[in-house]
Amino acid sequence: EAQVTQNPRYLITVTGKKLTVTCSQNMNHEYMSWYRQDPGLGLRQIYYSMNVEVTDKGDVPEGYKVSRKEKRNFPLILESPSPNQTSLYFCASSLVGTNSPLHFGNGTRLTVT
Amino acid sequence: AQSVTQLGSHVSVSEGALVLLRCNYSSSVPPYLFWYVQYPNQGLQLLLKYTSAATLVKGINGFEAEFKKSETSFHLTKPSAHMSDAAEYFCAVSDGSGGYQKVTFGTGTKLQVIP
Repeated sequence: EAQVTQNPRYLITVTGKKLTVTCSQNMNHEYMSWYRQDPGLGLRQIYYSMNVEVTDKGDVPEGYKVSRKEKRNFPLILESPSPNQTSLYFCASSLVGTNSPLHFGNGTRLTVT
Repeated sequence: AQSVTQLGSHVSVSEGALVLLRCNYSSSVPPYLFWYVQYPNQGLQLLLKYTSAATLVKGINGFEAEFKKSETSFHLTKPSAHMSDAAEYFCAVSDGSGGYQKVTFGTGTKLQVIP
């Protein structure tokens, strides 16, 4: 089954404790992206990747890191989480091309205390 | 820069009534437009997409959207609402100018269906 898999689904952590949210897709998509969803703000792009070893900042990259060492994986790293990073995070992938729809994971709800 | 505006963060309709969710966009290039649906505790799923082949686009679950260039709109409609349509709906515009792929989402509209 074609899918984007994120782990974990729920994560509660404390300020400053490094964490990684994993994302993997099995559709051989070149494009992958991370979004955060906050009430009233919709989805905002954090980072995206057009292919292996090619990443770039989205609209809200501060406090986040990503890497793309393999085509299928695109982990999101929070090296020193802060409470304002409490949010619902989504990974998405697609073929490269502006008419290619995004395929989303089921989300990771992160709480930073 | 592209942007998407969804009018109404919450919309309530009675079961069987017409659903109309509004989306207006701005884009410096011919746009690719999408509607996604998010059910509780799930990721977003593609409902339909406009890619210039036809101005009226049919999607899944009986939804459709009409692209109106003169109004820069891409409103989503369904003739008769079902309880299962209760979800949050996002309009999105995709722009590939500048050599990168950029998808911008609206702030979403939560649809409530009243029995």
